[in-house]
Amino acid sequence: EAGVAQSPRYKIIEKRQSVAFWCNPISGHATLYWYQQILGQGPKLLIQFQNNGVVDDSQLPKDRFSAERLKGVDSTLKIQPAKLEDSAVYLCASSLVVRAYEQYFGPGTRLTVT
Amino acid sequence: GQSLEQPSEVTAVEGAIVQINCTYQTSGFYGLSWYQQHDGGAPTFLSYNALDGLEETGRFSSFLSRSDSYGYLLLQELQMKDSASYFCAVPNRINTNAGKSTFGDGTTLTVKP
Repeated sequence: EAGVAQSPRYKIIEKRQSVAFWCNPISGHATLYWYQQILGQGPKLLIQFQNNGVVDDSQLPKDRFSAERLKGVDSTLKIQPAKLEDSAVYLCASSLVVRAYEQYFGPGTRLTVT
Repeated sequence: GQSLEQPSEVTAVEGAIVQINCTYQTSGFYGLSWYQQHDGGAPTFLSYNALDGLEETGRFSSFLSRSDSYGYLLLQELQMKDSASYFCAVPNRINTNAGKSTFGDGTTLTVKP
């Protein structure tokens, strides 16, 4: 079974530029999560989808971050414009709806904003 | 809001037993999960407790006490490869998707020879 795929793996941009991350969850997983993990901290939920609907985006900085999951499968997370404090690893995870306690994570995208 | 507290670091020797504690404060509680993350890697699921008591999975066990808002991960027969960060997490509510998936800040375990 293929795991959660993410791209790119690394990205370096200057502040005020824009960046987009892509995620393909495990086949059959209706729930998809985007997390931000700052060095030395735990993953922080940015947004959670069930199929193509948003379940929770209360911690998403909506003035600069946006995310979509148009067909209920792949998802993209965008930052525009980026700030220095956005430097982090962005993790995508997926799960079955009835097994939200068991999330499968992709390798992450390490973003550096200079 | 939701918060989970874990010790930041734990050190133990190869072959020993170590316990990583987690206390939580949540507006709704639907169980406690544990994840392992090696340096530079992605978190991987280890264990889940929905009810009070001990769950055993090989060398790893996890315990939950709802009345004390407390859980722990027990690692036995420690190996060098167990050196990693361990996170406790409260998942969103199953089926209704109520609540918010929340992770603690992790405990870095260092296993020494």
